[in-house]
Amino acid sequence: GAVVSQHPSWVICKSGTSVKIECRSLDFQATTMFWYRQFPKQSLMLMATSNEGSKATYEQGVEKDKFLINHASLTLSTLTVTSAHPEDSSFYICSGLDRNTEAFFGQGTRLTVV
Amino acid sequence: AQSVTQLDSQVPVFEEAPVELRCNYSSSVSVYLFWYVQYPNQGLQLLLKYLSGSTLVESINGFEAEFNKSQTSFHLRKPSVHISDTAEYFCAVSGKSGYNKLIFGAGTRLAVHP
Repeated sequence: GAVVSQHPSWVICKSGTSVKIECRSLDFQATTMFWYRQFPKQSLMLMATSNEGSKATYEQGVEKDKFLINHASLTLSTLTVTSAHPEDSSFYICSGLDRNTEAFFGQGTRLTVV
Repeated sequence: AQSVTQLDSQVPVFEEAPVELRCNYSSSVSVYLFWYVQYPNQGLQLLLKYLSGSTLVESINGFEAEFNKSQTSFHLRKPSVHISDTAEYFCAVSGKSGYNKLIFGAGTRLAVHP
């Protein structure tokens, strides 16, 4: 199947700083990418949907100014957690949608804010 | 809008025993259905999917799921599990129109014991 590469796989940052997570579709063009957040032992919660070249659509309750999403090309989407706080610590997962309606997931990023 | 209910948060089972992980969904529109598997600190891997056609779908590693429209279910089964099947399993649904965002169930932890 297609491959989505997510980087970094884990990151530790200080409270108040910003962190950028990259999501790349390596062998297909993902016109749509999704960003999920997963708390320990819980399911994935959709944060936002990004379409290449347009503004992301955020789910209810997700702060768009805190979680900045950029989808500048068909193979790259980024999520920037701005002014991170300990409560933002979580597992973030991206996925890219191919033309056959299948979503391919990145490996996830473990963010720890101290 | 869609929703997914996975009735069992944890399923312990002995190696070589059969297993069923239950999934029910709710939707006002036609849907696609998916099962994903997640190993610790990793992203999700597609196990199998139902898009159309035969209601019984199979994976390459022995899992199968049957779409039952009248019962709005998509239960996952395996006749004989292995230790390596120990993981978190997520059932997901997406609408057939729109940008196909996935809505996940809460997940079922399958623990296979020797």
